[in-house]
Amino acid sequence: NAGVTQTPKFRVLKTGQSMTLLCAQDMNHEYMYWYRQDPGMGLRLIHYSVGEGTTAKGEVPDGYNVSRLKKQNFLLGLESAAPSQTSVYFCASSYPFLDGSQPQHFGDGTRLSIL
Amino acid sequence: RKEVEQDPGPFNVPEGATVAFNCTYSNSASQSFFWYRQDCRKEPKLLMSVYSSGNEDGRFTAQLNRASQYISLLIRDSKLSDSATYLCVVNGMDSSYKLIFGSGTRLLVRP
Repeated sequence: NAGVTQTPKFRVLKTGQSMTLLCAQDMNHEYMYWYRQDPGMGLRLIHYSVGEGTTAKGEVPDGYNVSRLKKQNFLLGLESAAPSQTSVYFCASSYPFLDGSQPQHFGDGTRLSIL
Repeated sequence: RKEVEQDPGPFNVPEGATVAFNCTYSNSASQSFFWYRQDCRKEPKLLMSVYSSGNEDGRFTAQLNRASQYISLLIRDSKLSDSATYLCVVNGMDSSYKLIFGSGTRLLVRP
């Protein structure tokens, strides 16, 4: 009963390096989300997707790109990592809704440090 | 003004105490409300949805006051295992797809 799985769990990068975070869900959820969480800031939405092949910007999209080529996967890319991107990244998914009535299910996070 | 505001705490209470958290939201058109729980260095997990008439789940009671735009969570008979951060969540202003998370209220339950 995997739910939402994020890989990797931890990563240390040097400034300027690139990497991709993978989120996979096995609940057949239509919607998927990427958040970052920093101390005292709460969860901030980076990008989201309401279906396969579609993506949209959230609150803090700069420096990140995403792709949703398959319904079950949502990838978050950092093209040129910066120290300000040091954070804990959470992926979430949910069933479709029109009024925000469906809760989101989270992966257990990726802890990313940029040196 | 933040879309969802919470007192960060911490609330430090003894086992068995009753504790209440409030949360205010700015979008009067919001329709969906939740409380999530987040343990230290873990992912947020849904605690309960909040319904207009108020709802209860065991020791937890959630209330919604639309006129004043606030949501409350009451925890009765606190357990050590209730120690966590409680996140107030509301659907977003500019899109029904998005949920807005408060920064959380930290609860510490002591023996």
